[in-house]
Amino acid sequence: EPEVTQTPSHQVTQMGQEVILRCVPISNHLYFYWYRQILGQKVEFLVSFYNNEISEKSEIFDDQFSVERPDGSNFTLKIRSTKLEDSAMYFCASIRTENTEAFFGQGTRLTVV
Amino acid sequence: AQTVTQSQPEMSVQEAETVTLSCTYDTSESDYYLFWYKQPPSRQMILVIRQEAYKQQNATENRFSVNFQKAAKSFSLKISDSQLGDAAMYFCAYRSSSYGKLTFGQGTILTVHP
Repeated sequence: EPEVTQTPSHQVTQMGQEVILRCVPISNHLYFYWYRQILGQKVEFLVSFYNNEISEKSEIFDDQFSVERPDGSNFTLKIRSTKLEDSAMYFCASIRTENTEAFFGQGTRLTVV
Repeated sequence: AQTVTQSQPEMSVQEAETVTLSCTYDTSESDYYLFWYKQPPSRQMILVIRQEAYKQQNATENRFSVNFQKAAKSFSLKISDSQLGDAAMYFCAYRSSSYGKLTFGQGTILTVHP
């Protein structure tokens, strides 16, 4: 069964450093998303991406965040200058069309120290 | 903006018994989708069941079924014949038919006792 793959599974970084979280969505999917889950809290939407551009973003997704799909397969989330409060589980998800279900990756646990 | 509320932070059930997890939501839209996701300790998000708002019939998937009350904006999940492997955090989620993003509730931790 096709799946969404995220790397790395766990990343530890120092405050102020840049991090890039990587995702490989399912190959025939068209819509891509990043979500964040701070430990013990609910899953929050960050950004959606379609046709090589951001289609929607939340208030969490400020200038420190960016996304891109550099090579038609990878979908990346970059945090320019990490803060302690960016420590969370980050999930990538993809869907084929707007009327189909979202498939989630296994998540990347980001720890900012 | 849509909101999703799960009023039960924790629930417990005996193995083989039935448990119902509650979810309410707020929306002004008439067409949308509702989902229940399971998050085990591995923290992977696993789709349990989905319901299209235009369908009157409640969705079922094996031991999992929903009670969808559109007028009341309620979407509860019933787990029958509970198994130890059902223990997890369960999230209710809403998705507009116009946008793909999911709006999640706060989650309910389900414990299954042997």
